[in-house]
Amino acid sequence: EVQLVESGGGLVQPGGSLRLSCAASGFTFSSYSMNWVRQAPGKGLEWVSYISSSSSTIYYADSVKGRFTISRDNAKNSLYLQMNSLRDEDTAVYYCARPSRSGSYHYWGQGTLVTVSS
Amino acid sequence: QSALTQPASVSGSPGQSITISCTGTSSDVGGYNYVSWYQQHPGKAPKLMIYEVSNRPSGVSNRFSGSKSGNTASLTISGLQAEDEADYYCSSYTSSSTAFGGGTKLTVL
Repeated sequence: EVQLVESGGGLVQPGGSLRLSCAASGFTFSSYSMNWVRQAPGKGLEWVSYISSSSSTIYYADSVKGRFTISRDNAKNSLYLQMNSLRDEDTAVYYCARPSRSGSYHYWGQGTLVTVSS
Repeated sequence: QSALTQPASVSGSPGQSITISCTGTSSDVGGYNYVSWYQQHPGKAPKLMIYEVSNRPSGVSNRFSGSKSGNTASLTISGLQAEDEADYYCSSYTSSSTAFGGGTKLTVL
């Protein structure tokens, strides 16, 4: 059974940093690209970042480019999101999600809440 | 990285059919047959209902169907049930991102 478990969320002040993790199991992690998707309270889904299976290709949403860094450790079956210079508008539930080749997300984690507030 | 356009809300009575539209551009919805639809209940993670425009994952009811014409995709739910009340999001593959719609709240009257 495919499982994605996020961790690392919490309360952080504006301008602060946080590192999210996503532990994957039930599939060959090193064979799949991965994504982060977020959802602000009461709002819709927003794609955040993509990383290919070998980390050779990385994309970011314009809203986080230059502040967030996606990475992975295939030996540890883990995905990460380093978030720096956090803003109020980064407050959201962050999901890791495994896409198919056509970009559909068949598998999602349960999400981890990041709250940016002073 | 523009969002796809969905109606904010739709409603229907049990047993009826409803359709939710999702409008994009030739760079996303119109350019690929890679439109997906997700159902999200409050406090839960999204659940994939339709992928590649019209395919249903295993376990998803055949009351859910998808289609596409030009830059607009559609999700149809037939035989509405109370449990279908949820938020629905469309998404489309693009060359370097995923575009999501703003979401549609489905109310079952």
